[in-house]
Amino acid sequence: GQQLNQSPQSMFIQEGEDVSMNCTSSSIFNTWLWYKQDPGEGPVLLIALYKAGELTSNGRLTAQFGITRKDSFLNISASIPSDVGIYFCAGRDSGGSNYKLTFGKGTLLTVNP
Amino acid sequence: DAGITQSPRHKVTETGTPVTLRCHQTENHRYMYWYRQDPGHGLRLIHYSYGVKDTDKGEVSDGYSVSRSKTEDFLLTLESATSSQTSVYFCAITEGLAYEQYFGPGTRLTVT
Repeated sequence: GQQLNQSPQSMFIQEGEDVSMNCTSSSIFNTWLWYKQDPGEGPVLLIALYKAGELTSNGRLTAQFGITRKDSFLNISASIPSDVGIYFCAGRDSGGSNYKLTFGKGTLLTVNP
Repeated sequence: DAGITQSPRHKVTETGTPVTLRCHQTENHRYMYWYRQDPGHGLRLIHYSYGVKDTDKGEVSDGYSVSRSKTEDFLLTLESATSSQTSVYFCAITEGLAYEQYFGPGTRLTVT
């Protein structure tokens, strides 16, 4: 089935640093979503992207829908300790069902105070 | 908050016993999903429902069955639990113009 390649798998950064992570797919997507999961909780939707080239911000988070429609990027600026968690990308394949998502395997972010 | 609850939140059971997990939503969403989450695999779709009594298989449906007799409840059943079904199970619903999915708090299941 469809695969999403999310990188990096993990990151260890100092508080105040900026963070970048990305996802790539083997086919064209028409929606990209970014989630964050805290320990013991369900994933929470951070940002949704609906068209190629779109750049959307949510506070210190900024995500972009790649112009090839096969990738997406998430940036976190000026990281703080509460940014710790697992970040997942997810996307909807343009050739697939509207009601199914494909998920990346996540980026584990650790922030050292 | 998409109004999703899951029960139980934690369960330990023995191999070979039946187990049913419940997902309950209060906002009349048509689509509901069951995922499992395991280290190294991320979130994998088990089954989903597109209406009352309408369900379909996901990528890891073997050993699982589901039922949806009313809009608000989506049940996941392990007929005979195995140790490979030890996992964290998440329910999700679809909402929004781009069919975004929102997740419940999860159920941690341990099969001994």
